[in-house]
This record gives sequence, structure tokens and C-alpha cells, in this order.
Amino acid sequence: SQQGEEDPQALSIQEGENATMNCSYKTSINNLQWYRQNSGRGLVHLILIRSNEREKHSGRLRVTLDTSKKSSSLLITASRAADTASYFCATDLKAAGNKLTFGGGTRVLVKP
Amino acid sequence: DTGVSQDPRHKITKRGQNVTFRCDPISEHNRLYWYRQTLGQGPEFLTYFQNEAQLEKSRLLSDRFSAERPKGSFSTLEIQRTEQGDSAMYLCASSLLRGGPTDTQYFGPGTRLTVL
Repeated sequence: SQQGEEDPQALSIQEGENATMNCSYKTSINNLQWYRQNSGRGLVHLILIRSNEREKHSGRLRVTLDTSKKSSSLLITASRAADTASYFCATDLKAAGNKLTFGGGTRVLVKP
Repeated sequence: DTGVSQDPRHKITKRGQNVTFRCDPISEHNRLYWYRQTLGQGPEFLTYFQNEAQLEKSRLLSDRFSAERPKGSFSTLEIQRTEQGDSAMYLCASSLLRGGPTDTQYFGPGTRLTVL
């Protein structure tokens, strides 16, 4: 079974709008990572947030982590058509040798 | 290009045939991971190596699957007697373990396997 669950499963927005997606997980983590995947391609690493961090920014991306609620959110501001992709959260579990456990992903469509 | 590379990018095979995939990690990365991703799902962990040692294998990795990393550099994943259920994208990732608990994993483009 997958550790992380993304919400929503799909998101459709207009270019320029913000996109927010959430990830929930079940057990204690070392860190949580967000990846982007364009259709049929490999995963591109976006951002890593450690278990002792609460918020992190990278360009138009903002990630938050709430370990008490076992949840994280990814915000993409001022979205562009090129942001159209699937976004996955992945947890690095303390007891799991740094292997990543992925959620099912959020499919984001940014309409021009 | 100094990223993770995988070969081939696509493989079509008939049921019952053996296939082998190769992954070249980022140079000097000591950890290498294999994941499998089916359509519409997130990747699932298969196995990982630290240098040449295979440290963990998922229950998903049946005895038809074998992975090696003979010199601690590139890795191969072989599937024997392929089944239609093996059709998936096989992803390789590498990371540099620096002695702490946290490593960013960098993924290759994947090998898409289709079993007819």
C-alpha cells in the first residue's frame, strides 16, 4: 500500500492561477519530497523538506509540512501551461533505508 | 549529460521472454534504487543498492526479477519469463549517502516495458 495520498487526484486551472495540492502520510518520516512527472517521462525532483522544517520555498513553489497532522502541501503560484504534469509526494521513512514511498499523484492541467 | 541514464527507453517483448534493463547513476552516487510505475499510479519501490551491496528487496520483486550492481556503478534489472502484468515503467534513481538520514533521489527517464 502507498504511504502518501495526494488530494485532489486531479486539478484544472487557468494560467496565472495558483495550484494547491495536499499529501497525507501515515508514519514518521525523515523527509518528504515532491516530484513532477510529465506524461510518460521520468520524475523531476522539485523540493525536499526535512521533518524538522515547516516551510520551504523554491521559485514559484512553496511547500509546507505539518508533522503533527502528517500532511504536506505544495503550492504553485502564477501557474503556467508548462506546469501541466503529475505531481507526487514521496516520503522517506525513518525505518526504511531512505527508500521513497509515493502517493498516487495529483494530475494538474493548466489551461492557457 | 551527467544525470541518471537508462537503457533502453522502450522495450516490447513477448510473454515468456527475458529482458534486461540498464541504469547508469550519477557519477559518485553510492546509492541506486529501482522503482516500478504502472499507469496512473505512483512509483513503487523494488530494490536498492549501496555501492555493490543489495540492501533491500520489496515483496514486489518476485524470483523472476534479479538486480545487480557488480562494481558499484551501473546496475542491471533482469526479468525472466515476462508476464503481461510486468508491463510498466521501470525507473532508476540514485543518491549520495553522506552519512545523514536525508538524501535527494534523482531519477532517470525510465524504461517502458510492454509485454504482449
